[in-house]
Amino acid sequence: GVTQSPTHLIKTRGQQVTLRCSSQSGHNTVSWYQQALGQGPQFIFQYYREEENGRGNFPPRFSGLQFPNDSSELNVNALELDDSALYLCASSLAPPGPGSGANVLTFGAGSRLTVL
Amino acid sequence: QKEVEQNSGPLSVPEGAIASLNCTYSDRVSQSFFWYRQYSGKSPELIMSIYSNGDKEDGRFTAQLNKASQYVSLLIRDSQPSDSATYLCAVRRYNNNDMRFGAGTRLTVKP
Repeated sequence: GVTQSPTHLIKTRGQQVTLRCSSQSGHNTVSWYQQALGQGPQFIFQYYREEENGRGNFPPRFSGLQFPNDSSELNVNALELDDSALYLCASSLAPPGPGSGANVLTFGAGSRLTVL
Repeated sequence: QKEVEQNSGPLSVPEGAIASLNCTYSDRVSQSFFWYRQYSGKSPELIMSIYSNGDKEDGRFTAQLNKASQYVSLLIRDSQPSDSATYLCAVRRYNNNDMRFGAGTRLTVKP
């Protein structure tokens, strides 16, 4: 399946954080979501073939990388209190394109970030 | 208006009853619809996907889609305490990279 690390972490306002994700075997597209307490997941961005090909309404201090082995990182700079959330990585098999809306996402267990 | 709206609940049903979860969406070009279940502190897991108008059944679960009314629902028959979780409705357009989620409906099945 999809594995994420770390599972929990605590940072202070203004710091930077890197979250990591390993996609499910055979999956080549990875997406990141932010889930605040009591809310549904919010789309941050998606990567395919090491390039970002979709982004939600998040500021540039949220950035990412996808590596040749399809693993991925989410970086957040200048942390704010509102960044406290569960960060979910999801992978899927088919690349973006016609019919990609039917792609099923497989989620990792998430990284719980607390910003103090 | 939120893109995907769900009754926040909580919804409480007795064991063995039918639980009905509802979802409406605002984007008429939405093409794919998903129900995810999320236990407290865990990640979402897919229960059902539905792409065409009508009903789709999988075991105790039935998803219903009405694109004209922009409405999708999930029925859980013979509800079990293990079904107690938050149910997330999600929608995607035909050629779109992001999935839009509702805030979720919290379901409690009482023994």
